Amino acid sequence: NAGVIQTPRHKVTGKGQEATLWCEPISGHSAVFWYRQTIVQGLEFLTYFRNQAPIDDSGMPKERFSAQMPNQSHSTLKIQSTQPQDSAVYLCASSTTGPSAETLYFGSGTRLTVL
Amino acid sequence: GQQVQQSPASLVLQEGENAELQCNFSTSLNSMQWFYQRPGGSLVSLFYNPSGTKQSGRLTSTTVIKERRSSLHISSSQTTDSGTYLCAMLMDSNYQLIWGSGTKLIIKP
Repeated sequence: NAGVIQTPRHKVTGKGQEATLWCEPISGHSAVFWYRQTIVQGLEFLTYFRNQAPIDDSGMPKERFSAQMPNQSHSTLKIQSTQPQDSAVYLCASSTTGPSAETLYFGSGTRLTVL
Repeated sequence: GQQVQQSPASLVLQEGENAELQCNFSTSLNSMQWFYQRPGGSLVSLFYNPSGTKQSGRLTSTTVIKERRSSLHISSSQTTDSGTYLCAMLMDSNYQLIWGSGTKLIIKP
């Protein structure tokens, strides 16, 4: 079990460029979460999929952020026209049924730096 | 306002000392969890503790619902305990976590 895999580990983009972040959840996990972590804001919920269906994207900045889960083996978070304030560590987590600690597993994150 | 207040923000101890971390919640507590994060590392769940006391090795978590607080106690701290500890409250939606700001723990040899 390789755990939740996130790629790339680090990404640097110029202002206005697009960034795509990838997450491979643990096989068999039906729930996938995306979070964003910054020093100032801490951890913020972005979006949640269950059985590949989007359940809640209330934490996503609507204009430039989008997330998809085309199949059960990966999810993507796309940020269009990146801005410096998008710089953060983006964390993906997967779970069997919900976010209880026994079943919630986090990836190592993608550190996005927007210059 | 912030629903989860975590304290202290940072804590420096000598190896062997005990650590006490606190989380207070401004709303009714559904359930709460403790996580550990090493610098540059991923989050690792420590406890899912909606109420009462749970122990795992040198770690003990106590949640008192009516007082809207939860604590994490680390006994006989070791240098490998260094890192950031975060608490999170589960919202009524049953999947959204509201996070504390974290306690950065440094254990000196």
